[in-house]
Amino acid sequence: SAVISQKPSRDICQRGTSLTIQCQVDSQVTMMFWYRQQPGQSLTLIATANQGSEATYESGFVIDKFPISRPNLTFSTLTVSNMSPEDSSIYLCSAEVSYNEQFFGPGTRLTVL
Amino acid sequence: AQSVTQLGSHVSVSEGALVLLRCNYSSSVPPYLFWYVQYPNQGLQLLLKYTTGATLVKGINGFEAEFKKSETSFHLTKPSAHMSDAAEYFCAVSDPPGNTGKLIFGQGTTLQVKP
Repeated sequence: SAVISQKPSRDICQRGTSLTIQCQVDSQVTMMFWYRQQPGQSLTLIATANQGSEATYESGFVIDKFPISRPNLTFSTLTVSNMSPEDSSIYLCSAEVSYNEQFFGPGTRLTVL
Repeated sequence: AQSVTQLGSHVSVSEGALVLLRCNYSSSVPPYLFWYVQYPNQGLQLLLKYTTGATLVKGINGFEAEFKKSETSFHLTKPSAHMSDAAEYFCAVSDPPGNTGKLIFGQGTTLQVKP
């Protein structure tokens, strides 16, 4: 198993600003993922973040809007840029600890005014 | 492309009653299947998973699920509901071995447990 923490746990931001979310894993993992969960919805994968390579984005998500860093095997960040109210969501990171078994962080609850 | 359909966005049972949450998948290759639970204001917790082998999978908190290839189903059951089971449940399918490891989630089912 793995313990995953996220910072901040929640934030309220103004339109047009950016927020960087941090994700820390208590063990080294190869693959980390970032998901968005809009209010009352399921999880949608934003991107896959592998250490030492560029993040791989899913259809509908672009690097300019959601830049991701993966500086080492235990840490990743997701930035939500130039925010609008439509970006209000829960953002979750996960880590693949064993093949196809992902552990999730508690999420970052973002409200954009 | 893989997909997951959860039948019933909201299920309500009485405490002590059987819990049945339905999940059907679509996959062109043998799938890996998962059930996750999300308690209010928390992240997702893995309940159980099916990869290969025995089709009846037992998970935490008394839950189990059966992989039925002929029905493309992976329904989640628990013989006797407890108040603490009230949560959001997500079924998910992943790429087969050697691929991306991405999870595709269903829309989720909210389980309400009535006293």
